[in-house]
Order: sequence, then C-alpha cells, then structure tokens
Amino acid sequence: ETGVTQTPRHLVMGMTNKKSLKCEQHLGHNAMYWYKQSAKKPLELMFVYNFKEQTENNSVPSRFSPECPNSSHLFLHLHTLQPEDSALYLCASSQDSSQGRGYTFGSGTRLTVV
Amino acid sequence: SQKIEQNSEALNIQEGKTATLTCNYTNYSPAYLQWYRQDPGRGPVFLLLIRENEKEKRKERLKVTFDTTLKQSLFHITASQPADSATYLCALEPTSGTYKYIFGTGTRLKVLA
Repeated sequence: ETGVTQTPRHLVMGMTNKKSLKCEQHLGHNAMYWYKQSAKKPLELMFVYNFKEQTENNSVPSRFSPECPNSSHLFLHLHTLQPEDSALYLCASSQDSSQGRGYTFGSGTRLTVV
Repeated sequence: SQKIEQNSEALNIQEGKTATLTCNYTNYSPAYLQWYRQDPGRGPVFLLLIRENEKEKRKERLKVTFDTTLKQSLFHITASQPADSATYLCALEPTSGTYKYIFGTGTRLKVLA
C-alpha cells in the first residue's frame, strides 16, 4: 500500500463505452497528477492539479476528462477511446514540488480498449 | 529537442557487484533530479532526490551523482541483490516550481544470483 489508491486495477472497455478511473490519497498532499505509461515509452504527463485547480493539460485529447472534487480525490473520465489509448494509467501525488520532494504513485489502472 | 535518455538495453550484473545506471539529459537546467524504482505492473516508487547544488547523495546501498556540466546523473547500487532487479527511472523538473516532472524510459536491471 503506497498511500495512493487507484481503482479499478484492470479495465477493459469498448470504444463506445464511458468509464471512470479513480484515485485517492490521504497523505495530505496538495498536488495530484495523471500519467500515461505505454510500452517502451516514458511516462507521459497528462494532467496536473494543484490545490484542486488544474494547472496543466498536456495537450491531452478531449476524450480524457479529469475531475478533482477535493485535494484527496482525482478522477479520469473516459469516453469514446481508441485502441491506442490502451496503457497503464498512473495517478501520483506530491507535497509542494517546489521543495523537490518525490511523487507517491498508485499501482495504476491497466486499461485495454477493444 | 529536450529529452532524457536512459540506456534502454537491460543491464545484467552478478550478485554482489555494483550496478551503475546512467541518465543523460539535453536542453534542461533542472533544479532537481529524482530516481524511481518500478516493478512490473506497479507504479514507480521514489528512491532519491538530488539538487543541482549537490554532487552526490547516498541512501543505504544507493548513491546518486549529479553533474550539471555533463548534464548527467549516475545511479549506483552497491552489493547488489536479486531483489534489486527492477526498472529504474530518472525524472527531472524542467522548471522549478511547476509541479511537473518528466521521466526517462528507464533501464531494466537484472541481478543474477
């Protein structure tokens, strides 16, 4: 248990489905992130929330929609995905990155789009 | 272009030896550089952070160096054990205070018993 919990661990969805990924942290961190990890590629930053405000949308397609209702919870809403969106989606949190502290990652959601 | 390079080839070493992994970057001047460990199907786990004004940082059997002139960080595991087998990622914050870290592709280390 890392302190960041992601659900579900695995998800298979059709291209016309709508689903949501959930991330929860009770570490008191004030920043939360979504990263995408595809095979043989570096982690790709998707979204950054700092004190619940979105501070980064790294040119992510609109079929991915983040939501941060409070500083402990982060969602990623998915709709009309493509097979190339299949990947490991990682949530992370941190406490004031300007102090140079590490991220705490969840175990990820393995997403397969069929 | 800006990028982070880690040796994509797997590194195999014998148990008890020192493993050395390399992280090179171009066109950044990061204030911080981090190293993470990732096991298959799991999220990365934070190991060490080194600041631009630090040359070396140690934690138990781990040592990280940071050469801002060469734009390189080295990650050492001494007295390596089979349990150290994993993928190791380096990450840096291109602009201090932006809350954004970018990652290398990682190097897979296998320690042979």
